[in-house]
Amino acid sequence: GAGVSQSPSNKVTEKGKDVELRCDPISGHTALYWYRQSLGQGLEFLIYFQGNSAPDKSGLPSDRFSAERTGGSVSTLTIQRTQQEDSAVYLCASSPRQGGFLYNEQFFGPGTRLTVL
Amino acid sequence: AQSVSQHNHHVILSEAASLELGCNYSYGGTVNLFWYVQYPGQHLQLLLKYFSGDPLVKGIKGFEAEFIKSKFSFNLRKPSVQWSDTAEYFCAVNAEGGGADGLTFGKGTHLIIQP
Repeated sequence: GAGVSQSPSNKVTEKGKDVELRCDPISGHTALYWYRQSLGQGLEFLIYFQGNSAPDKSGLPSDRFSAERTGGSVSTLTIQRTQQEDSAVYLCASSPRQGGFLYNEQFFGPGTRLTVL
Repeated sequence: AQSVSQHNHHVILSEAASLELGCNYSYGGTVNLFWYVQYPGQHLQLLLKYFSGDPLVKGIKGFEAEFIKSKFSFNLRKPSVQWSDTAEYFCAVNAEGGGADGLTFGKGTHLIIQP
């Protein structure tokens, strides 16, 4: 079946602009995650959605970052007033999240490479 | 919050050599443990996982890992590596009751296999 898809694959923007990154999870997966991969920080967890519950935003680095998930499926990560330190690969993952905490395997998308000039 | 340490940042081996990559985590409760691999130009793929039961888990491409709870370790092994194993390897954990449900990753190990 289809895996997690993300768009765009690459995004170049100017400092101060807003960007939106999109994630389509695997059909039927109730949990969705955003991560950031950068040279200096490695892989960092950003935000987690589980079904229709309020998202866990504990990993968001600043209030310029926000995310929403519409209809329990597609998610958009928005970065406002981008800064050069926001340059990274933004990864999305989804999970069937069956059985609660245990057996929580996450499947990753190809990522969006964001470059802020 | 939990943390993950991967001790080897860069490893260079010859084909057919044996591989062991170290991974230690800090969390005293119940954990899920994973190894992910990222081949050049590709996205993260799951190599193997531990949820419960037998602490020796086998994954794809001949990889295995052993969960040693007393040492908080989950080392990755392969008895004979191939050139195609050249990639970045990430150990990851998520912990029950550890706060966020997201994975905590180690910094990664860049593995280069020389033909």
